[in-house]
Amino acid sequence: DVKVTQSSRYLVKRTGEKVFLECVQDMDHENMFWYRQDPGLGLRLIYFSYDVKMKEKGDIPEGYSVSREKKERFSLILESASTNQTSMYLCASSLSLADNEQFFGPGTRLTVL
Amino acid sequence: GQSLEQPSEVTAVEGAIVQINCTYQTSGFYGLSWYQQHDGGAPTFLSYNALDGLEETGRFSSFLSRSDSYGYLLLQELQMKDSASYFCAVLGNAGNMLTFGGGTRLMVKP
Repeated sequence: DVKVTQSSRYLVKRTGEKVFLECVQDMDHENMFWYRQDPGLGLRLIYFSYDVKMKEKGDIPEGYSVSREKKERFSLILESASTNQTSMYLCASSLSLADNEQFFGPGTRLTVL
Repeated sequence: GQSLEQPSEVTAVEGAIVQINCTYQTSGFYGLSWYQQHDGGAPTFLSYNALDGLEETGRFSSFLSRSDSYGYLLLQELQMKDSASYFCAVLGNAGNMLTFGGGTRLMVKP
């Protein structure tokens, strides 16, 4: 079974702090994704990566950056957290970009005060 | 750009059949997926349609009409455990990005 884990289930940070969210997958998947989920808006793609050190912007990359130094690990970085980044953050992975099935982690609920 | 529309809430009784519709507008279309998410849980993959027609997997079926930019998820013999949010998602652009709808919250009542 594919397992996608995220570093924290709940996180509370202050405005202006730098925030790191980490995601690890154990199935040697090529692709990894970061989404944020807000009520009524579904899941919105922030960034994705199709290979180590490669990244592509999703629909809402502003205010975020990512890092993929190893195949199994994909990090989301909020350089200076703001209250409008309070959200549920979901990481996902898939075998290939054309693979329609993505496997999701349990999510990190981030609150920025 | 891409946009998807689905109802925000649907209520049905145990044992019934329910259909959740999804209409989409997209630049580039490779297929339509459905995901299920229970409260507090991660989204899990249910189905994928790349071609027109009905795909059946147990109690769940998914339909796609590419000419109408429309699809639906059909849940039969509803059970209480089917209470969850259901998201349609389009694989679009260069076939490398999923765009999700806002989700439909299904409540199954006894």
